[in-house]
Amino acid sequence: EIVLTQSPDTLSLSPGGSATLSCRASQGVSSSYLTWYQQRLGQAPRLLIYGAYRRAAGVPDRFSGSGSGTDFTLTISRLEPEDFAMYYCQVYVISAGFTFGPGTKVDIK
Amino acid sequence: QLRLEEPGPGLVKPSGTLSLSCRVSGESTSTSYYWSWIRQPPGKGLEWIASIYYSGSTYYNKSLESRVSISLDTSKTQFSLKLKLTSMTATDTAVYYCARTNGYDAFDLWGPGTMVTVSS
Repeated sequence: EIVLTQSPDTLSLSPGGSATLSCRASQGVSSSYLTWYQQRLGQAPRLLIYGAYRRAAGVPDRFSGSGSGTDFTLTISRLEPEDFAMYYCQVYVISAGFTFGPGTKVDIK
Repeated sequence: QLRLEEPGPGLVKPSGTLSLSCRVSGESTSTSYYWSWIRQPPGKGLEWIASIYYSGSTYYNKSLESRVSISLDTSKTQFSLKLKLTSMTATDTAVYYCARTNGYDAFDLWGPGTMVTVSS
C-alpha cells in the first residue's frame, strides 16, 4: 500500500502571494505518475499537473510542479481569487492502483 | 468537445445495489484510454473505485473489489459501475464521479458528479 501525505492541511494566503504545497509518498514513485488536481467548492476536480511537472491544457503558467522520488511540490505564484480551493495529489502504482492524498486547502487570509 | 455525464438515482437503500452509468459524448470509449470511477464522501477526500481499459481489462481498488464491478459498452459510448451496498449507510454515501484516464494515469476529464445517498 502506498500512502500520500500532503502538507500543510491549510494554507492561508493573500491574493497576489505564492503557495507551496507538498506531497510526500510513503515509498518512491515514478514521476510520470504523479498528478495534482484543483477542486473548487461544489465542483468536480480539475487536472492541473500530470507527470509531476506537465501542465494540463488551459492551466495558467503560474501553476508549476516539481519533485521526484518521494517528495513533490505544487507551486502557485501570483494567487488569483479563483485559486483559493482544495488541492489533491494522486499517484498511480501498479501494485496499488490510484491513490489520492488527503488534500491541502488554500484559503484567503 | 468531450463530455462525461453520470446521472444517478439520488437515494438508494442499504444492502441494495447501486448502478451508475457514465455517458461519453464527443468521443468513443473504444479509444485507447482508461475510463474510471472515483467517489468523494461529503466533506472528505477522493477515493478511486475502479477503472476499465477500452479493451475491457478491469482494475479495482482492493478495499472495494469484492463489492464492485465496472463494464464498458462501446456501442453506446458509456461505461457503468455496480456497487453492492453494505448495511452501513455512511459507508457508500458520496458524490460519484466518472473520469477519463490518460496515458500518464491522470484523470484528465471529469463528469460533474452525482450525489448518492444511502438511506432507508
